[in-house]
Amino acid sequence: DSGVTQTPKHLITATGQRVTLRCSPRSGDLSVYWYQQSLDQGLQFLIQYYNGEERAKGNILERFSAQQFPDLHSELNLSSLELGDSALYFCASSVELAADTQYFGPGTRLTVL
Amino acid sequence: DAKTTQPNSMESNEEEPVHLPCNHSTISGTDYIHWYRQLPSQGPEYVIHGLTSNVNNRMASLAIAEDRKSSTLILHRATLRDAAVYYCILRDGLGSGNTPLVFGKGTRLSVIA
Repeated sequence: DSGVTQTPKHLITATGQRVTLRCSPRSGDLSVYWYQQSLDQGLQFLIQYYNGEERAKGNILERFSAQQFPDLHSELNLSSLELGDSALYFCASSVELAADTQYFGPGTRLTVL
Repeated sequence: DAKTTQPNSMESNEEEPVHLPCNHSTISGTDYIHWYRQLPSQGPEYVIHGLTSNVNNRMASLAIAEDRKSSTLILHRATLRDAAVYYCILRDGLGSGNTPLVFGKGTRLSVIA
């Protein structure tokens, strides 16, 4: 158990819908990262937050957005969902920006029908 | 980010040592070599990292070539639980540490009982 929690574990929805994925980092970790893992693209970095502020952006679509709240939990919002958004979404946390180790949650499996 | 090259798959017998190679010929002087692994149906987990010297921890050993253009992750005694995809990742040790993890395809390790 990494100490990072993600909810829900599974999510099934229809095209065009909007969903919110939630992540609670390890106690004391200030940095949160979101990654997407699909069969064809592998594990890809989406976005990073540090202590409530966006710090780095990867291949995140404009239909996707994220935020980190004062209690340090983070939410990833996915809207206008398409079939191709079906994937595993992982959240990771680390103590600080320059931390060597990222701790990953168990992931949320999103299925768009 | 400098690129890494790993074999797509490897096989090992249980209780035997496993040497997982990684080539990174374009590594820069400030790049750390990180290894993560992803067990089936789980998020990635940190294994080990190093800069120049060989490193040991409770999970594995990391042997780094003198020219740093390649490295080898060593599992001293493979168990069935070590069956996973192993990722070799370079991460710049300079700056604010904003760089996320850039995952390649990794090596899928199968362990035979």
